[in-house]
Amino acid sequence: DTEVTQTPKHLVMGMTNKKSLKCEQHMGHRAMYWYKQKAKKPPELMFVYSYEKLSINESVPSRFSPECPNSSLLNLHLHALQPEDSALYLCASSQPSGLAKNIQYFGAGTRLSVL
Amino acid sequence: AQKVTQAQTEISVVEKEDVTLDCVYETRDTTYYLFWYKQPPSGELVFLIRRNSFDEQNEISGRYSWNFQKSTSSFNFTITASQVVDSAVYFCALSDTISGGSNYKLTFGKGTLLTVNP
Repeated sequence: DTEVTQTPKHLVMGMTNKKSLKCEQHMGHRAMYWYKQKAKKPPELMFVYSYEKLSINESVPSRFSPECPNSSLLNLHLHALQPEDSALYLCASSQPSGLAKNIQYFGAGTRLSVL
Repeated sequence: AQKVTQAQTEISVVEKEDVTLDCVYETRDTTYYLFWYKQPPSGELVFLIRRNSFDEQNEISGRYSWNFQKSTSSFNFTITASQVVDSAVYFCALSDTISGGSNYKLTFGKGTLLTVNP
């Protein structure tokens, strides 16, 4: 089973709203990732969590706030977003060790529209 | 700096044709990993293959095959007898080994949109 589940699938929010994206995996992976993908572009890495600790922040604006409450769950809290933040947000996870340790498995994403 | 180039932006073929997607990479690492992912219109990135820098064996999986050549820094992907369900964006990616630990940073190419027409 290589399933990463993301909710919601679609989200529309105003610039003053606060919302959260959720990502869950039950594969025992200890690295989890957030990516942002604009139309017709490759995914861009935003954050990486390793063993529930933030290990990479790719200079993402503070209106995006990640959280990793446990090894299976990853959240992305959104506040005061701009219309240019509209994109597909993808979550991924990977194993910490073993033969498949750097294979990232992706969820289906959340399509976010900021009005 | 690492770089992945997919020169073909869009490819259109008719069903049952063979098609090759090109990928050229640049890295200073001696140990690295290359990947192909498929992204259908639904949005999910589907892992297809990983190849490490020490393994230049070509690989075949059903209608899919991969040709890794370190001498030309290329990792090309061929679909034999293409089908409509193969229509998707295909990304080639290179893994950054500097991160170490349990997390790795992927450098993606810009992707190739493959359309297979019936």
